[in-house]
Amino acid sequence: GQNIDQPTEMTATEGAIVQINCTYQTSGFNGLFWYQQHAGEAPTFLSYNVLDGLEEKGRFSSFLSRSKGYSYLLLKELQMKDSASYLCAVIGYGGATNKLIFGTGTLLAVQP
Amino acid sequence: DVKVTQSSRYLVKRTGEKVFLECVQDMDHENMFWYRQDPGLGLRLIYFSYDVKMKEKGDIPEGYSVSREKKERFSLILESASTNQTSMYLCASRAGTSADNEQFFGPGTRLTVL
Repeated sequence: GQNIDQPTEMTATEGAIVQINCTYQTSGFNGLFWYQQHAGEAPTFLSYNVLDGLEEKGRFSSFLSRSKGYSYLLLKELQMKDSASYLCAVIGYGGATNKLIFGTGTLLAVQP
Repeated sequence: DVKVTQSSRYLVKRTGEKVFLECVQDMDHENMFWYRQDPGLGLRLIYFSYDVKMKEKGDIPEGYSVSREKKERFSLILESASTNQTSMYLCASRAGTSADNEQFFGPGTRLTVL
């Protein structure tokens, strides 16, 4: 079966660092995506990890551990505009290659 | 600039009506997807298509059908709309079969069935 877990909500302070976790159990694994979705808007791509380790992209970094079925998204120097939902998604092998399985998303509220 | 467009941002229909949601992408992508998004349930895949006239069921296909007559267009059809189909519907497209290809989403259609 497929199962992707993320916390439902998180709150953080402007200027701080926040880590959003994602754990997954899937029948096949060929990479993990993070998407950002502002209220009323389409999700937009943030990162893709397929190898273990940390990928850094400006204020955002994404980490993957395949042996633990675990990823996190790290947001540094938080800004008010980072208030959004963050979606974790896994892509599989073979017939599942073309489709992403999404978690339920983590709603991040950044406070002044 | 990459674009996925959906025919309506907001739609109100009555129970039993036939509803068409249209999606068009201008990136020549092979793969197109229809999701619905509900609070607490996240994005759930309804149907997807990996080529013209090809379609595959996602996780929640019941009550829906799809049509892909042209590469750029993927339509979602609610044969007889019901109140439990009130939701945000998101279309997406993606190139080829490489796992790391980014998936692009349309702006969504908020459908209310009365």
